Amino acid sequence: GENVEQHPSTLSVQEGDSAVIKCTYSDSASNYFPWYKQELGKGPQLIIDIRSNVGEKKDQRIAVTLNKTAKHFSLHITETQPEDSAVYFCAASKELTGGGNKLTFGTGTQLKVEL
Amino acid sequence: GAVVSQHPSWVICKSGTSVKIECRSLDFQATTMFWYRQFPKQSLMLMATSNEGSKATYEQGVEKDKFLINHASLTLSTLTVTSAHPEDSSFYICSAPRIVGTGELFFGEGSRLTVL
Repeated sequence: GENVEQHPSTLSVQEGDSAVIKCTYSDSASNYFPWYKQELGKGPQLIIDIRSNVGEKKDQRIAVTLNKTAKHFSLHITETQPEDSAVYFCAASKELTGGGNKLTFGTGTQLKVEL
Repeated sequence: GAVVSQHPSWVICKSGTSVKIECRSLDFQATTMFWYRQFPKQSLMLMATSNEGSKATYEQGVEKDKFLINHASLTLSTLTVTSAHPEDSSFYICSAPRIVGTGELFFGEGSRLTVL
């Protein structure tokens, strides 16, 4: 089955700096890679996603890059703000292949944005 | 606003009792829903896939007789933790795809279960 590794497990940045979180996946058939933000005591919230037919996607301060050959994808947050502090999870799935939308999650990154 | 709703958001029960958690899709029909469990400071682990009108599919290592799943309608799936024990204490989260077949899942707010 799919295995998703995520680094770093914790990340502390100063407000205004950029933050980068990296994930690798094992199954070359995976084609959908979402990123979720989870605040304490709440369910995960989708913040951005990318499909395997593109290499980069950007939404305001958030961007995701995908390298299919190397099987890794990264989340980039620019101009970080204190409200960005949360746990971020990457995930991978095989979309529209009969795989049942199963998401395999990374281990999570605790991001702390310091004033 | 939320598109997947869970209830209750937290529950405390005595060991040996059963607890039911509901998951509803609010503005769309979900023939498939997913139940995850998350222990403190850990990732989400898929427990089972809930299928409307048929039996749930459980992941390896998940006891189907302990975690009963019923997908009674196109907008409701329930997870019942039977004969709960302290080790079942966890954060249970459901999710559903708005569009069948896509990987874009919307998650509920989670249900915190504490078994005394």
